[in-house]
Amino acid sequence: EAQVTQNPRYLITVTGKKLTVTCSQNMNHEYMSWYRQDPGLGLRQIYYSMNVEVTDKGDVPEGYKVSRKEKRNFPLILESPSPNQTSLYFCASSITGWRLRSEAFFGQGTRLTVV
Amino acid sequence: AQKITQTQPGMFVQEKEAVTLDCTYDTSDQSYGLFWYKQPSSGEMIFLIYQGSYDEQNATEGRYSLNFQKARKSANLVISASQLGDSAMYFCAMREEQTSYDKVIFGPGTSLSVIP
Repeated sequence: EAQVTQNPRYLITVTGKKLTVTCSQNMNHEYMSWYRQDPGLGLRQIYYSMNVEVTDKGDVPEGYKVSRKEKRNFPLILESPSPNQTSLYFCASSITGWRLRSEAFFGQGTRLTVV
Repeated sequence: AQKITQTQPGMFVQEKEAVTLDCTYDTSDQSYGLFWYKQPSSGEMIFLIYQGSYDEQNATEGRYSLNFQKARKSANLVISASQLGDSAMYFCAMREEQTSYDKVIFGPGTSLSVIP
């Protein structure tokens, strides 16, 4: 089954404690991206990756890091989480990014709370 | 200024009726794409429909259709014969070709509730 898998689904952590949210896709997609969803703001892009070892900032990259060492995996790293990073996070992948009308497949979401 | 505006934070519709969810956008590009996604209470994001700026006909996918009015910069989603399972958040999104092929902007969303 084609899917994007995020882990964990729910996470409560304390300020300053480094964490990683994993994202893996089994569709051999080149393009992967991370979004955060906040009430009234919709989804905002954090980082995206066009291929292995190629990453670029989205609209809200501050406080986040990513890596793309393998095609299937695109982890999101919060080196020193703060309460304003409490949000619902989505990973997405698609064949060629948002061009060519390619549909993006989303993971199930990770609800992160930083206290 | 917001690039994507969805003016209806919440809407109600009677089961089996049609409903229109509004979306207006702001771009100076001639080439762009518009997407609609559905987010049920379980949280996942489900792709519904796509409209390219050069597409001559309005997009349709089953009960979903897109009322695309380019001059007015609107891309309203029409759901025909609403079902209880249509209750969800709906997001309009836009990809601008000029800025980047690989960035997309989402609107704030509209919460739709279908009443039996």
